[in-house]
Amino acid sequence: QVQLVQSGAEVKKPGASVKVSCKASGYTFSAYYIHWVRQAPGQGLEWMGWLNPNGGGTYYAQTFQGRITMTGDTSISTAYMELNSLTSDDTAVYYCARIGVEIDWGQGTLVTVSS
Amino acid sequence: EIVLTQSPGTLSLSPGQRATLSCRASQSVSGNLLAWYQQKPGQAPRLLIRAAYSRATGIPDRFSGSVSGTDFTLTITRLEPEDFAVYYCQQYGDAPGTFGQGTKVEIK
Repeated sequence: QVQLVQSGAEVKKPGASVKVSCKASGYTFSAYYIHWVRQAPGQGLEWMGWLNPNGGGTYYAQTFQGRITMTGDTSISTAYMELNSLTSDDTAVYYCARIGVEIDWGQGTLVTVSS
Repeated sequence: EIVLTQSPGTLSLSPGQRATLSCRASQSVSGNLLAWYQQKPGQAPRLLIRAAYSRATGIPDRFSGSVSGTDFTLTITRLEPEDFAVYYCQQYGDAPGTFGQGTKVEIK
C-alpha cells in the first residue's frame, strides 16, 4: 500500500532552518507531485507548494517564496522541504501529500520554533 | 488564486441527521479537481472525496460529493457519532493550491 513516512518532530530556535523529509513507498515516486501543507495550532490547513519529482520542478506559495526549498531524491523516493529564517509563526505540523489521480498524506511532522 | 469559501462555519446537528457542507470557489476549478477531508484533533486530514465526486477507498457511502458550477457540496446522509469533526475542501487543479477555512460539525 502507499505510504508517506515523514521525519520526526523538530525544535528550532528563531532564525534557524528546518528540513523535513517524506519517504514514499508503494508507488512510482516520480509519477506524482508531492505537495507540502502546514497547520498551525488550532488553525486551518495552509498549502505551501509542490515538487515535481520528475525533473525537480517546484511551485511555491507566495507566502513562502524566498525562504522555502523543496527537493527530491528519486533514488530513495524521498522528498524534502526546507524552511529558513524560522519564527514562532512557523510552529506547526507540516504534512507532505501526493496529490494527483490518487491522494495520500504523510503522518505529519511537528516543528516547534521557540527560544 | 482560487479562493474557497466554506459554509457554514459550524454545523450543530444530532446523530442520524443529514449534513450539507458547502465550498464555493471564486472561479472555475480545473477539472473539478476538488477534494474533501475530515480532520479530528491530533490527526492528519483523512481524504473523503477526490475530484468532486469520487469517494476514497474505505469511505462509507453516506458521504457523497457533488458540484454545480463553482459550488461544491459534501453531503453526509445520516451522521454517525464518529462523523463529528472538522471538514476541509481543497482545490488542486490550479497552482497555488488552496483550502477552505473549514466547517466544524458538532453534536447538538
